Amino acid sequence: DAGITQSPRHKVTETGTPVTLRCHQTENHRYMYWYRQDPGHGLRLIHYSYGVKDTDKGEVSDGYSVSRSKTEDFLLTLESATSSQTSVYFCAMSPGTGIEANEKLFFGSGTQLSVL
Amino acid sequence: GESVGLHLPTLSVQEGDNSIINCAYSNSASDYFIWYKQESGKGPQFIIDIRSNMDKRQGQRVTVLLNKTVKHLSLQIAATQPGDSAVYFCAEPMDSSYKLIFGSGTRLLVRP
Repeated sequence: DAGITQSPRHKVTETGTPVTLRCHQTENHRYMYWYRQDPGHGLRLIHYSYGVKDTDKGEVSDGYSVSRSKTEDFLLTLESATSSQTSVYFCAMSPGTGIEANEKLFFGSGTQLSVL
Repeated sequence: GESVGLHLPTLSVQEGDNSIINCAYSNSASDYFIWYKQESGKGPQFIIDIRSNMDKRQGQRVTVLLNKTVKHLSLQIAATQPGDSAVYFCAEPMDSSYKLIFGSGTRLLVRP
């Protein structure tokens, strides 16, 4: 998917365990995003990054943290997974400049996370 | 696996007919809109965008119309094909920021 991959594609975990999802891009794009997708809610932004070590919160950031130590990698961590975090997680990237950084996001294929 | 909701508005069209998918937005200050297509098991894919200084923009078999008076956006697909079956989302930047806000989506089913 346009030089962006997510791992793992599927994960089942237990409540209270930490979980890290990885997003890797090969396009040298500056902006990266984590969304979750749930029935009835569509796609909601969790966190985003506008550069190495530069991140900010989205709409639904509680219970999640992110890190971006390299341009190509954007990690999403659930410190202590809860059942409400069962969802499909999508990573996205965009080359963007200035205020139009969100143009034409390129999405990964998603990670199906189940928290039991 | 299933990546979208089970209770989305659904538009069913005959193959070869034209499709019109609608989207209402709430922020009258929004100046940029995007349509995405999401096929089952895949991430959303950019289709077409439009800026608020335009009323219409055409791509290959797709046209986006913007009516700022009633804050309405539509995506028209000409000669709909089976490969067009997907969920379609409109999106707009939140507060002119880096954050893209998506609508809840419309499922398009194409009947052979």
